[in-house]
Amino acid sequence: SQQGEEDPQALSIQEGENATMNCSYKTSINNLQWYRQNSGRGLVHLILIRSNEREKHSGRLRVTLDTSKKSSSLLITASRAADTASYFCATVPSGGSNYKLTFGKGTLLTVNP
Amino acid sequence: DADVTQTPRNRITKTGKRIMLECSQTKGHDRMYWYRQDPGLGLRLIYYSFDVKDINKGEISDGYSVSRQAQAKFSLSLESAIPNQTALYFCATSDQDQPQHFGDGTRLSIL
Repeated sequence: SQQGEEDPQALSIQEGENATMNCSYKTSINNLQWYRQNSGRGLVHLILIRSNEREKHSGRLRVTLDTSKKSSSLLITASRAADTASYFCATVPSGGSNYKLTFGKGTLLTVNP
Repeated sequence: DADVTQTPRNRITKTGKRIMLECSQTKGHDRMYWYRQDPGLGLRLIYYSFDVKDINKGEISDGYSVSRQAQAKFSLSLESAIPNQTALYFCATSDQDQPQHFGDGTRLSIL
């Protein structure tokens, strides 16, 4: 069963612009994670935000979490062509462990040079 | 060299055949996982293993079996493949409760 749902399904921007992707989920979570998948490759973990955190930064990535709305957003600033990939949110249920990830369907980001 | 290696990377086979997908890791992680990815869907967990003697079913284990031959090796078998098992399969590892590390996947087509 899907827990996280990303929005939009696809996003196309120009290099240098910011990209924002959203994730909504249905049940209480322990943490929410974002992963990137380049074409033909496996997923790469980007960032983890815990349920008691509201915002985290990692380089050009900024993740926010609103547990009252059961939603998260991933912002990529100053995008580059190399950021072209699919981005997935994954949730860990409240009281659960990181082995029990539930992935969304992903957002396909295309950054045009 | 990749930390999580999956073999083969691509496989085409026929309905009814037995297939084994292999995964090996050099990260020294205790936990290993098998997922499948279908177009338009997120990853779904098939099986996971906390150590050699601890194997657990995931969300979609029917039609699959696994073997944890060693801490570093975790294989996925399809005893009698069917077309709706055509998918991209990923192996992942984690160090206890840390985020997961994925291999590059096996693209499996069943005719």
